[in-house]
Amino acid sequence: EDQVTQSPEALRLQEGESSSLNCSYTVSGLRGLFWYRQDPGKGPEFLFTLYSAGEEKEKERLKATLTKKESFLHITAPKPEDSATYLCAVQARIQGAQKLVFGQGTRLTINP
Amino acid sequence: NAGVTQTPKFQVLKTGQSMTLQCAQDMNHNSMYWYRQDPGMGLRLIYYSASEGTTDKGEVPNGYNVSRLNKREFSLRLESAAPSQTSVYFCASGRTGEVKVSGYTFGSGTRLTVV
Repeated sequence: EDQVTQSPEALRLQEGESSSLNCSYTVSGLRGLFWYRQDPGKGPEFLFTLYSAGEEKEKERLKATLTKKESFLHITAPKPEDSATYLCAVQARIQGAQKLVFGQGTRLTINP
Repeated sequence: NAGVTQTPKFQVLKTGQSMTLQCAQDMNHNSMYWYRQDPGMGLRLIYYSASEGTTDKGEVPNGYNVSRLNKREFSLRLESAAPSQTSVYFCASGRTGEVKVSGYTFGSGTRLTVV
């Protein structure tokens, strides 16, 4: 069964304290792995797409990496405005159609 | 740059009432999706439409119907609302069928309460 698992469920950091969020997946026919940011009361906002093992993408204080079984979202010297829920999703061909399967998210809080 | 527009933003229904959630995208995407988001459950796919004129069931389709009216619009209908359908509903669109798929774009959501 295609599955995406994110850990930890919640993470509290002090401003400037770097850390990583994990997304492990089991899916056949992976077409892409996505990271989204979701603020309370809003829809998910696209951050990155990774297509193959070894690929890395960066945006400001965020860096996403991909292996054959998992992806990491590294947050360097975070600021309070980085507080949000971070969602991981994989796109795979399931039952003949392209579908996006989401993990449950990691709720990140950055304390000033 | 409207992206994906959902209406309404909030709705309260009584058990047994019906309603339609509307979604429109202006990015010329071929695929559109309806998800629901519940605490502790993440985003779950209700229905999707890979292209104009086609619709398919997702993970949790019971109690819902959809219509892909044209390339831009994809509506979700609750025929007889139940308290278990209290949730936040998100519409999304994307380009699929390409070698490298792009990320989906989500709407801002509809917060539905069924009492």
